[in-house]
Amino acid sequence: AQKITQTQPGMFVQEKEAVTLDCTYDTSDPSYGLFWYKQPSSGEMIFLIYQGSYDQQNATEGRYSLNFQKARKSANLVISASQLGDSAMYFCAMRGQDMDSSYKLIFGSGTRLLVRP
Amino acid sequence: NAGVTQTPKFQVLKTGQSMTLQCAQDMNHEYMSWYRQDPGMGLRLIHYSVGAGITDQGEVPNGYNVSRSTTEDFPLRLLSAAPSQTSVYFCASSYWGGAKSEQFFGPGTRLTVL
Repeated sequence: AQKITQTQPGMFVQEKEAVTLDCTYDTSDPSYGLFWYKQPSSGEMIFLIYQGSYDQQNATEGRYSLNFQKARKSANLVISASQLGDSAMYFCAMRGQDMDSSYKLIFGSGTRLLVRP
Repeated sequence: NAGVTQTPKFQVLKTGQSMTLQCAQDMNHEYMSWYRQDPGMGLRLIHYSVGAGITDQGEVPNGYNVSRSTTEDFPLRLLSAAPSQTSVYFCASSYWGGAKSEQFFGPGTRLTVL
Protein backbone atom coordinates (compact mmCIF):
# COMPACT_ATOMS: atom_id res chain seq x y z
CA ALA A 1 0.00 0.00 0.00
CA GLN A 2 1.11 3.52 -0.70
CA LYS A 3 1.85 5.85 2.20
CA ILE A 4 3.13 9.39 2.69
CA THR A 5 4.73 10.48 5.96
CA GLN A 6 5.31 14.07 7.00
CA THR A 7 6.96 14.07 10.42
CA GLN A 8 6.97 17.83 11.06
CA PRO A 9 3.54 18.98 12.29
CA GLY A 10 4.75 22.58 12.49
CA MET A 11 7.80 24.63 11.62
CA PHE A 12 9.04 28.19 11.99
CA VAL A 13 11.37 29.99 9.61
CA GLN A 14 12.71 33.50 9.59
CA GLU A 15 11.73 35.66 6.65
CA LYS A 16 14.25 35.49 3.77
CA GLU A 17 15.76 32.24 5.01
CA ALA A 18 15.41 28.84 3.35
CA VAL A 19 13.38 26.01 4.87
CA THR A 20 13.08 22.29 4.14
CA LEU A 21 9.84 20.40 4.66
CA ASP A 22 10.29 16.66 4.96
CA CYS A 23 8.36 13.97 3.12
CA THR A 24 8.99 10.25 2.96
CA TYR A 25 6.92 7.80 0.99
CA ASP A 26 6.35 4.12 0.58
CA THR A 27 5.19 2.41 -2.58
CA SER A 28 5.78 -0.77 -4.54
CA ASP A 29 4.97 0.92 -7.85
CA PRO A 30 8.03 1.30 -10.08
CA SER A 31 6.57 4.47 -11.57
CA TYR A 32 4.92 7.21 -9.56
CA GLY A 33 4.59 10.94 -9.17
CA LEU A 34 5.17 13.12 -6.14
CA PHE A 35 3.40 16.42 -5.59
CA TRP A 36 3.52 19.26 -3.12
CA TYR A 37 0.48 21.39 -2.42
CA LYS A 38 0.14 24.58 -0.38
CA GLN A 39 -3.01 25.28 1.60
CA PRO A 40 -3.22 28.84 2.93
CA SER A 41 -5.64 29.84 5.67
CA SER A 42 -8.25 30.58 3.00
CA GLY A 43 -8.43 26.81 2.43
CA GLU A 44 -7.77 26.27 -1.26
CA MET A 45 -5.26 23.68 -2.48
CA ILE A 46 -2.50 25.21 -4.58
CA PHE A 47 -0.22 22.99 -6.65
CA LEU A 48 3.45 23.84 -6.16
CA ILE A 49 5.72 21.28 -7.75
CA TYR A 50 5.84 17.80 -9.29
CA GLN A 51 8.57 15.14 -9.40
CA GLY A 52 8.36 11.99 -11.49
CA SER A 53 10.03 8.86 -10.20
CA TYR A 54 12.07 8.52 -13.38
CA ASP A 55 13.03 12.17 -13.66
CA GLN A 56 16.80 12.48 -13.67
CA GLN A 57 16.89 15.95 -12.19
CA ASN A 58 15.27 17.43 -9.12
CA ALA A 59 12.26 19.55 -9.95
CA THR A 60 12.36 23.31 -9.48
CA GLU A 61 9.63 25.93 -9.75
CA GLY A 62 10.74 29.43 -8.87
CA ARG A 63 11.57 29.49 -5.16
CA TYR A 64 10.44 25.89 -4.74
CA SER A 65 12.68 22.92 -5.32
CA LEU A 66 12.28 19.27 -4.56
CA ASN A 67 15.15 17.32 -3.02
CA PHE A 68 14.34 13.89 -4.44
CA GLN A 69 16.30 10.94 -3.05
CA LYS A 70 14.77 7.88 -4.63
CA ALA A 71 16.81 5.29 -2.76
CA ARG A 72 15.81 6.83 0.56
CA LYS A 73 12.21 7.34 -0.64
CA SER A 74 12.23 10.96 0.33
CA ALA A 75 10.92 14.02 -1.51
CA ASN A 76 11.63 17.07 0.62
CA LEU A 77 10.38 20.49 -0.40
CA VAL A 78 12.86 23.35 -0.17
CA ILE A 79 11.54 26.90 -0.10
CA SER A 80 14.23 29.49 -0.63
CA ALA A 81 14.04 33.11 0.54
CA SER A 82 10.90 32.61 2.62
CA GLN A 83 8.21 35.24 2.45
CA LEU A 84 5.41 36.05 4.89
CA GLY A 85 2.95 34.77 2.30
CA ASP A 86 4.54 31.32 2.52
CA SER A 87 2.86 30.79 5.91
CA ALA A 88 0.46 27.92 5.22
CA MET A 89 -0.08 24.17 5.45
CA TYR A 90 2.01 22.13 3.05
CA PHE A 91 1.02 18.69 1.87
CA CYS A 92 3.10 16.06 0.16
CA ALA A 93 1.16 13.65 -2.05
CA MET A 94 1.83 10.69 -4.30
CA ARG A 95 0.11 9.20 -7.32
CA GLY A 96 0.89 5.86 -8.99
CA GLN A 97 1.19 5.15 -12.70
CA ASP A 98 -0.80 1.98 -13.15
CA MET A 99 -4.57 1.80 -13.40
CA ASP A 100 -5.05 0.69 -9.80
CA SER A 101 -3.04 3.45 -8.20
CA SER A 102 -3.18 6.39 -10.61
CA TYR A 103 -6.78 7.25 -9.81
CA LYS A 104 -6.02 8.83 -6.46
CA LEU A 105 -3.60 11.07 -4.66
CA ILE A 106 -2.33 9.78 -1.33
CA PHE A 107 -1.70 12.69 1.04
CA GLY A 108 0.49 13.12 4.06
CA SER A 109 -0.84 14.78 7.20
CA GLY A 110 0.80 18.08 6.36
CA THR A 111 3.28 20.54 7.85
CA ARG A 112 2.20 23.96 9.07
CA LEU A 113 4.84 26.55 8.21
CA LEU A 114 4.95 29.91 9.93
CA VAL A 115 7.25 32.58 8.53
CA ARG A 116 8.44 35.10 11.13
CA PRO A 117 9.14 38.70 10.13
CA ASN B 1 -12.18 29.32 -17.61
CA ALA B 2 -13.70 28.84 -14.18
CA GLY B 3 -11.69 25.66 -13.45
CA VAL B 4 -13.29 23.53 -10.74
CA THR B 5 -16.25 25.08 -8.97
CA GLN B 6 -18.04 23.86 -5.86
CA THR B 7 -21.28 24.89 -4.22
CA PRO B 8 -22.14 25.67 -1.52
CA LYS B 9 -19.07 27.06 0.25
CA PHE B 10 -20.56 26.50 3.69
CA GLN B 11 -23.39 24.25 4.90
CA VAL B 12 -24.84 23.32 8.27
CA LEU B 13 -27.00 20.21 8.49
CA LYS B 14 -28.83 18.41 11.24
CA THR B 15 -28.19 14.74 11.84
CA GLY B 16 -30.24 12.65 9.43
CA GLN B 17 -30.69 15.30 6.78
CA SER B 18 -29.58 14.67 3.22
CA MET B 19 -27.96 17.04 0.79
CA THR B 20 -25.93 17.23 -2.40
CA LEU B 21 -22.60 18.96 -2.81
CA GLN B 22 -22.17 20.24 -6.34
CA CYS B 23 -18.97 20.09 -8.37
CA ALA B 24 -18.39 21.20 -11.94
CA GLN B 25 -15.34 21.61 -14.16
CA ASP B 26 -14.96 23.27 -17.55
CA MET B 27 -11.61 21.77 -18.57
CA ASN B 28 -13.03 18.63 -20.23
CA HIS B 29 -11.19 16.45 -17.72
CA GLU B 30 -12.02 12.75 -17.77
CA TYR B 31 -11.14 12.15 -14.16
CA MET B 32 -13.00 13.68 -11.21
CA SER B 33 -12.85 12.89 -7.53
CA TRP B 34 -14.11 13.87 -4.10
CA TYR B 35 -11.90 14.17 -1.03
CA ARG B 36 -12.60 15.03 2.57
CA GLN B 37 -10.19 16.83 4.87
CA ASP B 38 -10.51 16.42 8.61
CA PRO B 39 -8.59 18.59 11.11
CA GLY B 40 -4.90 17.72 11.31
CA MET B 41 -5.13 15.29 8.42
CA GLY B 42 -4.47 15.25 4.75
CA LEU B 43 -7.13 14.67 2.14
CA ARG B 44 -8.75 11.26 1.83
CA LEU B 45 -10.48 9.99 -1.28
CA ILE B 46 -14.24 9.36 -1.02
CA HIS B 47 -15.31 8.51 -4.58
CA TYR B 48 -13.90 9.02 -8.03
CA SER B 49 -14.93 8.81 -11.67
CA VAL B 50 -12.86 8.12 -14.77
CA GLY B 51 -15.55 9.29 -17.16
CA ALA B 52 -19.26 9.86 -17.63
CA GLY B 53 -21.23 6.90 -16.37
CA ILE B 54 -18.28 5.38 -14.48
CA THR B 55 -17.77 5.80 -10.74
CA ASP B 56 -15.96 3.86 -8.05
CA GLN B 57 -15.25 3.96 -4.33
CA GLY B 58 -12.21 5.48 -2.76
CA GLU B 59 -10.79 5.14 0.72
CA VAL B 60 -13.77 6.42 2.78
CA PRO B 61 -16.98 5.92 0.73
CA ASN B 62 -19.49 5.00 3.44
CA GLY B 63 -22.40 7.41 3.75
CA TYR B 64 -21.85 9.01 0.34
CA ASN B 65 -23.18 8.45 -3.17
CA VAL B 66 -21.99 9.86 -6.47
CA SER B 67 -23.06 9.83 -10.09
CA ARG B 68 -21.48 11.12 -13.29
CA SER B 69 -24.06 11.77 -15.99
CA THR B 70 -21.92 14.35 -17.81
CA THR B 71 -18.22 15.03 -18.17
CA GLU B 72 -18.60 18.38 -16.44
CA ASP B 73 -20.54 17.50 -13.27
CA PHE B 74 -19.81 15.19 -10.36
CA PRO B 75 -22.21 15.70 -7.43
CA LEU B 76 -21.66 14.14 -4.01
CA ARG B 77 -24.74 13.09 -2.05
CA LEU B 78 -24.89 12.66 1.70
CA LEU B 79 -27.70 10.20 2.30
CA SER B 80 -28.27 10.72 6.04
CA ALA B 81 -25.82 13.18 7.54
CA ALA B 82 -23.91 12.24 10.68
CA PRO B 83 -21.64 14.37 12.92
CA SER B 84 -18.70 12.24 11.73
CA GLN B 85 -19.21 13.74 8.28
CA THR B 86 -18.34 17.21 9.54
CA SER B 87 -15.38 18.06 7.33
CA VAL B 88 -14.13 20.13 4.44
CA TYR B 89 -14.92 18.55 1.08
CA PHE B 90 -12.81 19.08 -2.00
CA CYS B 91 -13.66 18.17 -5.55
CA ALA B 92 -10.77 17.67 -8.00
CA SER B 93 -10.32 16.93 -11.68
CA SER B 94 -7.51 15.99 -14.03
CA TYR B 95 -6.70 14.52 -17.40
CA TRP B 96 -6.34 10.78 -17.40
CA GLY B 97 -2.57 10.83 -17.77
CA GLY B 98 -1.22 8.56 -15.10
CA ALA B 99 1.14 9.60 -12.35
CA LYS B 100 2.08 13.02 -13.71
CA SER B 101 -1.41 14.35 -14.21
CA GLU B 102 -1.89 17.33 -11.96
CA GLN B 103 -5.17 17.40 -10.08
CA PHE B 104 -6.97 20.73 -10.02
CA PHE B 105 -8.91 21.34 -6.84
CA GLY B 106 -12.07 23.29 -6.21
CA PRO B 107 -12.25 25.83 -3.38
CA GLY B 108 -13.86 23.38 -0.96
CA THR B 109 -17.16 23.09 0.93
CA ARG B 110 -17.08 23.37 4.70
CA LEU B 111 -19.81 21.11 6.11
CA THR B 112 -20.95 20.99 9.72
CA VAL B 113 -23.37 18.32 10.90
CA LEU B 114 -25.02 19.03 14.25
